[in-house]
Amino acid sequence: KAGVTQTPRYLIKTRGQQVTLSCSPISGHRSVSWYQQTPGQGLQFLFEYFSETQRNKGNFPGRFSGRQFSNSRSEMNVSTLELGDSALYLCASSPSFRQGSYEQYFGPGTRLTVT
Amino acid sequence: AQKVTQAQTEISVVEKEDVTLDCVYETRDTTYYLFWYKQPPSGELVFLIRRNSFDEQNEISGRYSWNFQKSTSSFNFTITASQVVDSAVYFCALSEAGGSEKLVFGKGMKLTVNP
Repeated sequence: KAGVTQTPRYLIKTRGQQVTLSCSPISGHRSVSWYQQTPGQGLQFLFEYFSETQRNKGNFPGRFSGRQFSNSRSEMNVSTLELGDSALYLCASSPSFRQGSYEQYFGPGTRLTVT
Repeated sequence: AQKVTQAQTEISVVEKEDVTLDCVYETRDTTYYLFWYKQPPSGELVFLIRRNSFDEQNEISGRYSWNFQKSTSSFNFTITASQVVDSAVYFCALSEAGGSEKLVFGKGMKLTVNP
């Protein structure tokens, strides 16, 4: 089975711009979560989607948003980029928490640099 | 509130040494899940193990072993006979049951295994 894929892998943007990151979960997985990783704050939960519905959201400003499509693929968007948004954005997928599976498998991440 | 503490931030050992990575967690829930992930330089988080709060049996997988003790809220990870390929950042994480797969991560511990 192919793993979680994220595109693009690297991205450089300017302050004030917006960006969209994409995540394709493992085939058959219906739950997708996003995390931000920075040297200062570590790994922080952004949001979680299941069946196109946001199930949970982390403590991030409204500039961070996401969505999930009917094929379970997910996108996250960051508007009005700030320097502090520079980070590795990781996507994780799992079969379904409803099936009692809490094993999340992570993609390689998108490295976003804001200048 | 949930919290995961990895007191050690960085450890350097020589190949074939045993090394133990400490993890202490806090949660008010009686049902929860604990995880260890490995992040090699490539950036992708690799799932190592999941433990639920009702299963305190220690687990061994090859050179890896895990010791879960609810009495001390600890979930420690030992690598026996370390190898250079074990060099990575290791994260301990906690997830509470109840419909969300949100992972709360520790700050991570960078392990360097020197030849």
